[in-house]
Amino acid sequence: SQKIEQNSEALNIQEGKTATLTCNYTNYSPAYLQWYRQDPGRGPVFLLLIRENEKEKRKERLKVTFDTTLKQSLFHITASQPADSATYLCALESGGSYIPTFGRGTSLIVHP
Amino acid sequence: DGGITQSPKYLFRKEGQNVTLSCEQNLNHDAMYWYRQDPGQGLRLIYYSQIVNDFQKGDIAEGYSVSREKKESFPLTVTSAQKNPTAFYLCASREQGAHYNEQFFGPGTRLTVL
Repeated sequence: SQKIEQNSEALNIQEGKTATLTCNYTNYSPAYLQWYRQDPGRGPVFLLLIRENEKEKRKERLKVTFDTTLKQSLFHITASQPADSATYLCALESGGSYIPTFGRGTSLIVHP
Repeated sequence: DGGITQSPKYLFRKEGQNVTLSCEQNLNHDAMYWYRQDPGQGLRLIYYSQIVNDFQKGDIAEGYSVSREKKESFPLTVTSAQKNPTAFYLCASREQGAHYNEQFFGPGTRLTVL
């Protein structure tokens, strides 16, 4: 069955460092991969989308990579700030589907 | 402001009662979705609708029902048949046929069964 894995343990880093979050998947051939941010008690907010034929996407301090051979996406936040503390969800979608499948998310805690 | 709203923010239900969660969007999106989120879990799809008067079951539709009579509205009813309804419910919308577009989420409704 299709499976999306995000590290269930919280990632603790110091302010100013680069945070790297991982999204691995199995039994899936996604055409699109998205990253969302979710704050406690709120709905997710879209951050970035990357397509299967793209290796890397950037937006301000954010960078996403997508390796379809490794079946993995990495999400980087450079110069992290305490305000970046949240849960980050990855979502995969096949080309023939309009339904994204979400991972469980990884909690990021940036310490001042 | 364009956006997607959910009400109420908090909802308490007695066992055996049906409750309806509201979801409204003014983004002119064709597609709408309902997800359930449990602590430490990802979003699980309950129902989705790609067009007015049409909707499909998601992965965990049992004990839930929806309607899509208007483009901007997609209410979710949690019936008494849902045995464990306590959860955080999220509604989302999206342009139809747009993989390259994101889902817009509402603020969520937290349902608690007393």
